[in-house]
Amino acid sequence: DVKVTQSSRYLVKRTGEKVFLECVQDMDHENMFWYRQDPGLGLRLIYFSYDVKMKEKGDIPEGYSVSREKKERFSLILESASTNQTSMYLCASSLGQGSIYEQYFGPGTRLTVT
Amino acid sequence: AQKVTQAQTEISVVEKEDVTLDCVYETRDTTYYLFWYKQPPSGELVFLIRRNSFDEQNEISGRYSWNFQKSTSSFNFTITASQVVDSAVYFCALSEAYNTDKLIFGTGTRLQVFP
Repeated sequence: DVKVTQSSRYLVKRTGEKVFLECVQDMDHENMFWYRQDPGLGLRLIYFSYDVKMKEKGDIPEGYSVSREKKERFSLILESASTNQTSMYLCASSLGQGSIYEQYFGPGTRLTVT
Repeated sequence: AQKVTQAQTEISVVEKEDVTLDCVYETRDTTYYLFWYKQPPSGELVFLIRRNSFDEQNEISGRYSWNFQKSTSSFNFTITASQVVDSAVYFCALSEAYNTDKLIFGTGTRLQVFP
């Protein structure tokens, strides 16, 4: 079974802090994704990566950055957390490029910024 | 522009009832893919089905069935004889041929099945 794990289920941070959300997949998938999920808005893509050290902006990249130094690990960074970044963050991975490959999701990190 | 609309925010049914979750999409592409995902209370989205735009054949998998109609740009999901374990948030999603790695999600439908 594909396993996507995220470093924390719940996280509370203060405004202005630098926040790291970590995601690890164990199935040698090429693509990795970060989404945020908000009530009434569904899932929105923040960034994705199709290879080590490669990244592409999604729909809402502002205020975020990412890092992919190893194939299995994809980090989401909030340089200076703000209260409007309070949300559920979901990581996903897929085997390769193209929609013949479904995305596998982690359990999510619920981040609260106070 | 591409868009996925799930007009039903929340649906409540009693066990053994049939329930249909609606999904309407917009795209200018002739080649695209449609998906359904289930998000149980544990949080992780679970892939249910993928269809491409050239395959309008309906699909049945156990108690689940999907009705794809290009004429109405809809990809509806029916659960027959619902069970409490079906309680979850269900998302419909779209990806287009020119940007196939990007999924556009609807806002989700929360299904509650009561015993």
